[in-house]
Amino acid sequence: NAGVTQTPKFRVLKTGQSMTLLCAQDMNHEYMYWYRQDPGMGLRLIHYSVGEGTTAKGEVPDGYNVSRLKKQNFLLGLESAAPSQTSVYFCASSYSSAVNTEAFFGQGTRLTVV
Amino acid sequence: RKEVEQDPGPFNVPEGATVAFNCTYSNSASQSFFWYRQDCRKEPKLLMSVYSSGNEDGRFTAQLNRASQYISLLIRDSKLSDSATYLCAVKSGANNLFFGTGTRLTVIP
Repeated sequence: NAGVTQTPKFRVLKTGQSMTLLCAQDMNHEYMYWYRQDPGMGLRLIHYSVGEGTTAKGEVPDGYNVSRLKKQNFLLGLESAAPSQTSVYFCASSYSSAVNTEAFFGQGTRLTVV
Repeated sequence: RKEVEQDPGPFNVPEGATVAFNCTYSNSASQSFFWYRQDCRKEPKLLMSVYSSGNEDGRFTAQLNRASQYISLLIRDSKLSDSATYLCAVKSGANNLFFGTGTRLTVIP
């Protein structure tokens, strides 16, 4: 059982380039999340989805777009990368929004924008 | 104001010590509370959920204080393998899961 898989694991981008991070989960989870983790800032929610075809903004959505065309996939896009987007990106999923439902994380994507 | 506030530490404790972490949250309507563990350069993994009545799992005890809006994690008889960053998480609103900055723990031989 793969759980939550993120692609790619590492990437270096030049300022202004675009890219898409892919998150795939095989647990039939409804809820999916994208976070970024920076030193001293902790995990900050970028966007999330409560089901196929839905997306919503989190704490720090600017500069990112997302799509959830299939239940198992949640894509995070950077249209024009900036050095401030250098971070570790984590995808997570959970079965529902019920109380105490655990979120499972992918292994992270280390992105550097130069 | 941040949804979740957590002392970043670091906490350096000797093996066998008891250590406690606290985390405060701002939304009084929050329903779900968790402690996650994150090892260096790895993803966070659930350590334990936090229930209203408090809960214990071996050497780990989690408490929730709704009146003061904080959660706590107590680790007894610390092991070298407990060295990690501990993240508190709070589910606020219908779907948002917010994390604290994490507290780094180092257990020293």
